[in-house]
Amino acid sequence: KQEVTQIPAALSVPEGENLVLNCSFTDSAIYNLQWFRQDPGKGLTSLLLIQSSQREQTSGRLNASLDKSSGRSTLYIAASQPGDSATYLCAIYNQAGTALIFGKGTTLSVSS
Amino acid sequence: KAGVTQTPRYLIKTRGQQVTLSCSPISGHRSVSWYQQTPGQGLQFLFEYFSETQRNKGNFPGRFSGRQFSNSRSEMNVSTLELGDSALYLCASSFSENEQFFGPGTRLTVL
Repeated sequence: KQEVTQIPAALSVPEGENLVLNCSFTDSAIYNLQWFRQDPGKGLTSLLLIQSSQREQTSGRLNASLDKSSGRSTLYIAASQPGDSATYLCAIYNQAGTALIFGKGTTLSVSS
Repeated sequence: KAGVTQTPRYLIKTRGQQVTLSCSPISGHRSVSWYQQTPGQGLQFLFEYFSETQRNKGNFPGRFSGRQFSNSRSEMNVSTLELGDSALYLCASSFSENEQFFGPGTRLTVL
């Protein structure tokens, strides 16, 4: 059974710092992986989708990598801003691509 | 292009009642998935529909059910509500497998 773990559960950094959020999974035979952002009480905003054949994806200040052999994905945020404060969720698609398995998330707080 | 919409946004019910939540997917998307989010369990998959057929189901009791209409809109129903059903219910739609787009959610409180 696929399990997704995100460490740390919470992270506080000063504005301008570069940071890395970690996601690990137990079954290396994964399909696609997606990173989301969730603001308090709100829905999920898709940040990056990494297809199983890819090793990384970039969007603006965000870069996500995928290493299936080690069972890890990382989300790199450059030059963090207070507006980046949110919970970041990592999720893996099941084989059929019809369901997501989520980690518990990392809650990021960026102070000005 | 309008995003995924969910109605109502907030609901308060009492134990034993039933509730129906609605989800309208992004235009052209035929797959709709439902998730439950609670502080203790995080986000958990409920079920997924494609062309009015349930293709996948998570590990939830039979009190949780859903359906999809010919226009791809979907509803989920929870019968005999329990306190533990209090959660944020999220709907997601996709055009093809492997990239889902989420709505704002329905916050259900069971008293």
